[in-house]
Amino acid sequence: DADVTQTPRNRITKTGKRIMLECSQTKGHDRMYWYRQDPGLGLRLIYYSFDVKDINKGEISDGYSVSRQAQAKFSLSLESAIPNQTALYFCATSALDSSYNEQFFGPGTRLTVL
Amino acid sequence: AQKITQTQPGMFVQEKEAVTLDCTYDTSDQSYGLFWYKQPSSGEMIFLIYQGSYDEQNATEGRYSLNFQKARKSANLVISASQLGDSAMYFCAMREGALKGWGKFQFGAGTQVVVTP
Repeated sequence: DADVTQTPRNRITKTGKRIMLECSQTKGHDRMYWYRQDPGLGLRLIYYSFDVKDINKGEISDGYSVSRQAQAKFSLSLESAIPNQTALYFCATSALDSSYNEQFFGPGTRLTVL
Repeated sequence: AQKITQTQPGMFVQEKEAVTLDCTYDTSDQSYGLFWYKQPSSGEMIFLIYQGSYDEQNATEGRYSLNFQKARKSANLVISASQLGDSAMYFCAMREGALKGWGKFQFGAGTQVVVTP
């Protein structure tokens, strides 16, 4: 079973629609992250949360919002989707007390905004 | 400002040969970590190897090794004896050690590696 799951895996939507991407993890990690990946730009951080009561903006948070519903769940919302939000979105987790503090990634959600 | 630079957008390597993927980084922190991830065509991100800023020896994990040159701020990944399954995008990432930022990563743009028979 996957430790970090994302739903949906693929989504096509229209400009102006509200979209929610969901992330769940069974790793017991306290830290969760949302990234987007665009060709030639690598992964860029949208939001991150170090625990349920801690939400922080990343480098490209405009147009996005998040909700940390529980330690295991972290959702990303696009309030009014626009075409340049078409990208591959990753959720990731990490543990404060791990040796490397490496991040573990979900399988990704491919979002297309028409 | 870009903190992780991968200057090679793409590379071809022949099977069984070694390949070096370049990564330079920029930080003023003394404590930081460097990571390499592999992204095959299926899209998942796979953690490969880690190097801490205070580690005196270069990290190795199987066929992967990290050539860490702290003074030059470089952390190149070396893949020995390339296999067809090594064809993928490779990302270098850095975690800086600032108090609030502990755990937050920055990624490079990636290097696409194609292994040919």
